Amino acid sequence: SQELEQSPQSLIVQEGKNLTINCTSSKTLYGLYWYKQKYGEGLIFLMMLQKGGEEKSHEKITAKLDEKKQQSSLHITASQPSHAGIYLCGARIQGAQKLVFGQGTRLTINP
Amino acid sequence: DVKVTQSSRYLVKRTGEKVFLECVQDMDHENMFWYRQDPGLGLRLIYFSYDVKMKEKGDIPEGYSVSREKKERFSLILESASTNQTSMYLCASRRAAGGNYEQYFGPGTRLTVT
Repeated sequence: SQELEQSPQSLIVQEGKNLTINCTSSKTLYGLYWYKQKYGEGLIFLMMLQKGGEEKSHEKITAKLDEKKQQSSLHITASQPSHAGIYLCGARIQGAQKLVFGQGTRLTINP
Repeated sequence: DVKVTQSSRYLVKRTGEKVFLECVQDMDHENMFWYRQDPGLGLRLIYFSYDVKMKEKGDIPEGYSVSREKKERFSLILESASTNQTSMYLCASRRAAGGNYEQYFGPGTRLTVT
């Protein structure tokens, strides 16, 4: 089973609508990273969250880490076609040196 | 500007061939990683390297080996390619200390084994 669970696995939204992607673990997350991947390409770093309750924004994308540091959400406001792609969360879990990744969420924006 | 490059974007090989995937980073990072990405499974760690000539198995090392002779270069080797190794391969690097564990990724190599 995945150490990081992302939901939903796939999302289709109308352009201009808001959307949320979740990333959940049963263990404490020491550093939560959100990446975006255009189809068939490498990963682009979006944001990193470390502290419980932390929230960061970049343009129309906001990411939060809950107080218990076991869940993060990525929220996109007024979605645009440029937001389409695969969103992955990655995290260090309870002292592990490596990052583990969720399975990804494929986002499609319909015009 | 940080840069991780991979030798090929697309590669087609036959079953049984020996395959080399090269990754180069220009950021003087100590740590380097090889992942494979498959639909529904996300990124899975194959091997990683803490420093030159050091390597450790990740979660799915079977059928793969690696080489790190120079700090900037990390090679993934498929000794005898099989069809179940058809996948997207991503290389990443990061600084070992003093950073926030952020990994920088290359553009990926899509390998097809026929």
